[in-house]
Amino acid sequence: AQTVTQSQPEMSVQEAETVTLSCTYDTSESDYYLFWYKQPPSRQMILVIRQEAYKQQNATENRFSVNFQKAAKSFSLKISDSQLGDAAMYFCAYVGGGSQGNLIFGKGTKLSVKP
Amino acid sequence: NAGVTQTPKFQVLKTGQSMTLQCAQDMNHNSMYWYRQDPGMGLRLIYYSASEGTTDKGEVPNGYNVSRLNKREFSLRLESAAPSQTSVYFCASSAVTSYYSYEQYFGPGTRLTVT
Repeated sequence: AQTVTQSQPEMSVQEAETVTLSCTYDTSESDYYLFWYKQPPSRQMILVIRQEAYKQQNATENRFSVNFQKAAKSFSLKISDSQLGDAAMYFCAYVGGGSQGNLIFGKGTKLSVKP
Repeated sequence: NAGVTQTPKFQVLKTGQSMTLQCAQDMNHNSMYWYRQDPGMGLRLIYYSASEGTTDKGEVPNGYNVSRLNKREFSLRLESAAPSQTSVYFCASSAVTSYYSYEQYFGPGTRLTVT
């Protein structure tokens, strides 16, 4: 069975600095997709970034980028120029291609941003 | 642009009471999901529906039933609520195709407390 592990329950970053959140996963599938979701205090789940396993290039979305290491099964999220609004829970998630689309989530990392 | 809607947003039940959580999506997605979120546990899949008329168990189905009423609506029922079902419940939907990278769209969540 696939698993997703986020080893950092909490992280803290100074405003305008850069922070990296870690995620590792375990799978025997070759076709899969990885996601980072943000959950602010409002509780809404917001997609931050996605990565297709077949793509070698790391995904980027404005201040958010990933370091996708397929052989190491690692999928970290880098947030540059951190802003107060980035404070939230961040969840790493996996879905197998060809599956019913069921997401497998990590337990989350709570990010605090200090002014 | 409603996306995924859930009702109610908050609910308090007494042990043994029943209730139904409602979910609807307007994105013409085939697949819909119910998750529960508990502190320190991330999101865990309760049930999912790959298409109208089909439902399948996820990781934590005990104590729940679901109905895929039509393509838009997917309800979650607690027949006899227990304190262990105190949680935040999320509904999600997905097109489940590689073209859309299996992205899931989430509703705002329902905070359920069982006393």
